[in-house]
Amino acid sequence: EDQVTQSPEALRLQEGESSSLNCSYTVSGLRGLFWYRQDPGKGPEFLFTLYSAGEEKEKERLKATLTKKESFLHITAPKPEDSATYLCAVHQKRGTSYGKLTFGQGTILTVHP
Amino acid sequence: DSGVTQTPKHLITATGQRVTLRCSPRSGDLSVYWYQQSLDQGLQFLIQYYNGEERAKGNILERFSAQQFPDLHSELNLSSLELGDSALYFCASSVDGNYGYTFGSGTRLTVV
Repeated sequence: EDQVTQSPEALRLQEGESSSLNCSYTVSGLRGLFWYRQDPGKGPEFLFTLYSAGEEKEKERLKATLTKKESFLHITAPKPEDSATYLCAVHQKRGTSYGKLTFGQGTILTVHP
Repeated sequence: DSGVTQTPKHLITATGQRVTLRCSPRSGDLSVYWYQQSLDQGLQFLIQYYNGEERAKGNILERFSAQQFPDLHSELNLSSLELGDSALYFCASSVDGNYGYTFGSGTRLTVV
């Protein structure tokens, strides 16, 4: 069964203090790994898709990387508006779970001014 | 606005009742997915439809059912509601299910 584990569960940073979030996954045949941002009471907002080990993607202060067993979301010089829950999800390549994303529990990021 | 529309935004109902949640996918998207998000379970996949046909099923209870109509909107029906069904229910859509998808803003269901 697909498993996605995110760490830490919660992270508190000072504005400007860079850090990384981790997503470890176990899946038979990875079609893609996704990062989403979710604000309280709202739907997840798509950030990145990574398809193969070694791939990197960047968007503003965020950079996502992928290895064969985990992904990192690096946050450089965060601002208070980056505070949110960050979700990682994997998409299996085949089988009856076609189209299904398996999500981790998320990392709650709080950035203090 | 993500382009995925969910109604209603909030729903309060009593145990034992039945409710229907509605989702209109982004224009051009053929796949619709339903997820349940509760505090202790995180985002849990319920069911996927592609162009009107059921494509994948997750841990969806027998009391729950869904369908996708010819105009591609989808409805999730929840019956014999229990207190534990209180959660956020999200709909998402994608072009064909091969790539990441776009979520709606959710329906918050409270069962009292």
